[in-house]
Amino acid sequence: GAGVSQSPSNKVTEKGKDVELRCDPISGHTALYWYRQRLGQGLEFLIYFQGNSAPDKSGLPSDRFSAERTGESVSTLTIQRTQQEDSAVYLCASSPSGTRGSEQFFGPGTRLTVL
Amino acid sequence: QKEVEQDPGPLSVPEGAIVSLNCTYSNSAFQYFMWYRQYSRKGPELLMYTYSSGNKEDGRFTAQVDKSSKYISLFIRDSQPSDSATYLCAMSESGGYQKVTFGTGTKLQVIP
Repeated sequence: GAGVSQSPSNKVTEKGKDVELRCDPISGHTALYWYRQRLGQGLEFLIYFQGNSAPDKSGLPSDRFSAERTGESVSTLTIQRTQQEDSAVYLCASSPSGTRGSEQFFGPGTRLTVL
Repeated sequence: QKEVEQDPGPLSVPEGAIVSLNCTYSNSAFQYFMWYRQYSRKGPELLMYTYSSGNKEDGRFTAQVDKSSKYISLFIRDSQPSDSATYLCAMSESGGYQKVTFGTGTKLQVIP
C-alpha cells in the first residue's frame, strides 16, 4: 500500500508569513508524529497524536507552532509568523497499533526555507 | 546531557569492511531500540527493531543491545557503497504509542 505522504515537498516563504504543511499517514495507523530536522542535525520531536487521546505537544518550540489531526487521517502542521530559524526539513511519521507502535514509518519530508 | 548520544561521524570505510555504529543512553526505562537509515534528502526508514537486551540479525545487519551498560550497536558486514547513509538510533520506553527519542545520527560513507 501507499506510504506516508507529505506536501508540499519544498516550500520557500518570506519571514513573517504563515505556512501549512500536510501529512497523509498510512491508512489504519493510529499514531502520527511530527519532527523537525535542521541541516546536519538529528530529529527533534515536535508533537504526536495517538488515536483519540489528547496530543503530546511537549516538543513544540513556541506558540507559533500548532498541529491538528482529523480522526486517524490527515494532519496539518502550521507555523505562524515564520522566522529564519524555522528553516528545516519537517518530517511526519505514522505508527501502527499494537505492541510495535513505536515502529515509525516516515514520509519524505517538507523542506522549508524561510528567507 | 542528552538522553541519547551518538557520534555524528562522518565514518568512512572501504567497501567490504565491517562497520560498527553505536549509541549510549541515560534513560534506564528504554526497552525498545531501533535503527533507522536515512539517505540524503529522504525520510528515515526502519532498519532494525529490538526489544530489551540481546542480539538480532537480519542479513548483513546485526543489532546488539546491552541494557546494563546502556549501550546499543549496529554492525554492518560486507559493507556496500549503497550502505552510505546516515544511521539514527532510536529508543522508547514502551512499544505502544510512545514518544521515541532519536540520536543525532552517524553519517557513513562506504568507499568503493
